[in-house]
Amino acid sequence: TQLLEQSPQFLSIQEGENLTVYCNSSSVFSSLQWYRQEPGEGPVLLVTVVTGGEVKKLKRLTFQFGDARKDSSLHITAAQTGDTGLYLCAGGSNYKLTFGKGTLLTVNP
Amino acid sequence: KAGVTQTPRYLIKTRGQQVTLSCSPISGHRSVSWYQQTPGQGLQFLFEYFSETQRNKGNFPGRFSGRQFSNSRSEMNVSTLELGDSALYLCASSLGSHNEQFFGPGTRLTVL
Repeated sequence: TQLLEQSPQFLSIQEGENLTVYCNSSSVFSSLQWYRQEPGEGPVLLVTVVTGGEVKKLKRLTFQFGDARKDSSLHITAAQTGDTGLYLCAGGSNYKLTFGKGTLLTVNP
Repeated sequence: KAGVTQTPRYLIKTRGQQVTLSCSPISGHRSVSWYQQTPGQGLQFLFEYFSETQRNKGNFPGRFSGRQFSNSRSEMNVSTLELGDSALYLCASSLGSHNEQFFGPGTRLTVL
């Protein structure tokens, strides 16, 4: 069974702070994705990484995929209240996504 | 381009009943996946369909079933509902590239 563990489970910070959330697995995935979900809505895709060691930047968000393609991190610089939400990582293989349980981020003004 | 739509958005049923949920994928997407989301278990994969064929299935009992039509629209059915089936059911569609999936808003099912 493929499992993805995310940490921390909850994170509450002040606007302007930096943060990193982690996603770890004992399995190798063909791709890894990060999603953000807001209450009452479905997850929205932020990024897909497929190559070990890959780094992608999306404005203030930086995503890294581990060399062995088993782990990933999401770093947010100068967090804003609009970044509040549930951040989910998901590993892709065999036509399915395996999701971590998510990191619930609250950015306080 | 319209996003993934799911109907109904909210549903209340009682134990023992059955329910059918519907999903219309993004135009041109032929892959449709279903997930169950609960506070305790997070997002769990139910099944995936491509061109009317189920390609993968998660670890759910046989009470959970699905199908896909020739226009890529999909339905999932849950029979003999149990209290534990209360959840947000999410549908996602994909072109198939790297499993990138686009989610609908979900159907909130409450079983009383």
